[in-house]
Order: sequence, then C-alpha cells, then structure tokens
Amino acid sequence: EVQLVQSGGGLVQPGGSLRLSCAASEITFSAYWMTWVRQAPGKGLEWVANIKQDGSEKYYVDSVKGRFTISRDNAKSSLYLQMNSLRVEDTAVYYCARIHDYWGQGSLVTVSS
Amino acid sequence: QAVVTQEPSLTVSPGGTVTLTCGSSTGAVTSNHYPYWIQQKPGQAPWTLIYDTTNKHSWTPARFSGSLLGGKAALTLSGAQPEDEADYYCLLSYSGARPVFGGGTKLTVL
Repeated sequence: EVQLVQSGGGLVQPGGSLRLSCAASEITFSAYWMTWVRQAPGKGLEWVANIKQDGSEKYYVDSVKGRFTISRDNAKSSLYLQMNSLRVEDTAVYYCARIHDYWGQGSLVTVSS
Repeated sequence: QAVVTQEPSLTVSPGGTVTLTCGSSTGAVTSNHYPYWIQQKPGQAPWTLIYDTTNKHSWTPARFSGSLLGGKAALTLSGAQPEDEADYYCLLSYSGARPVFGGGTKLTVL
C-alpha cells in the first residue's frame, strides 16, 4: 500500500517562504501525476497544483501562479511545493495526493505576523 | 474557471438512502470529467471513494456507488451508517489539467 508522508509546514510571516515535502513509500511514484490540495480553516478543498509523471507539465491555480512551484524527484519518490511570497490567505492545511487513490496526512501552513 | 456545485448539506436516516450530486457551470457533467468523490471526516485527511464516475477502491464500502444522473455526477449511499457522517467532495477534471473541487456536502446521519 502506498503511503504519502508529508513534512514541512509551520508558521511564517507574510512575504516569507516555506517548502513542503511529500515522500511516497512505493516505487511506482514515477508513473503518476501528483497533486497538492489545500484546505483553509473551516473551508472546503482547493486544488493548488499538478505535476506530470516526468515533471514536464505543471499547472497551478491562478491564486498561486508565480509564487508557488511544484516539483518532484522520482529517484527519491518525493513531491515538493516551494511556496514564496506567502500571504495570509495561503493559511491552510496542505495535502499531497495521488488523487486517484492516496492522500498525505496534511501539513499546516500558517501565514501570520 | 468552472464552478462545481454540490448540495451544502443533506440528512439521511440510519439505513436510509441518499444521493449527493455534482454539477458543472459549463454544462452537463460527463464521463470525460472523470468525476471523483472524496470523503473527509472531521480532523482527518481526505480519502478517495470513487474515481472515473463509477469505480471503487478496495476500501470503498459497497453501500457507496457513483453514477451520472440528469447531467450531474452522483454519489448514492444505500443503507447509511453512522460512520458515513462526513463531508463529501466531488472533483471534476477540465481541459488543461486544472481540476475543480465542489464546495462539499455535509452529510448528517440522523
């Protein structure tokens, strides 16, 4: 069974940066699109970014374009989300997911002064 | 960007049947939207119940089923159990690999 184990997150001031990581326990990680999804406090799920199997295609929700970067390292079965120029409205729990089936446990990102 | 609509809340009696729906502002939902249904219980990570309209995972209880109904994606729960009380989200795929979540349905079993 695939497990997605997340790390990173925490408290950061507006304008700051954070990097989220997601390590997959199964070697077929490289065969799937991967996704970051977030959930603001008390709100619903919001798709944030997608990355193709080989990293050649990346897509972002408009609100994070130019500030967030999704990447992957298939040799390490790992997914990343580099978040720059963070805003208060980016405060959320961030989930990595192979949406077809598996989700990470979530990482809380709090942007506050 | 498309807007995906779901009932904000529904209530079902234990043992009863309820259908949650998922519509798209762009028109009828079809199998080409590859509808997903995702369950989330309070304080827990989400998990995927249904993919590609009707397909279940090994962990999906048999009482859940997915379909297309009247131009929408639908999730039917037959024989509701107390543990089915949760938020349910649909996810539709659109061109350009930018999927959109619905706002979620809070299901109460009462």
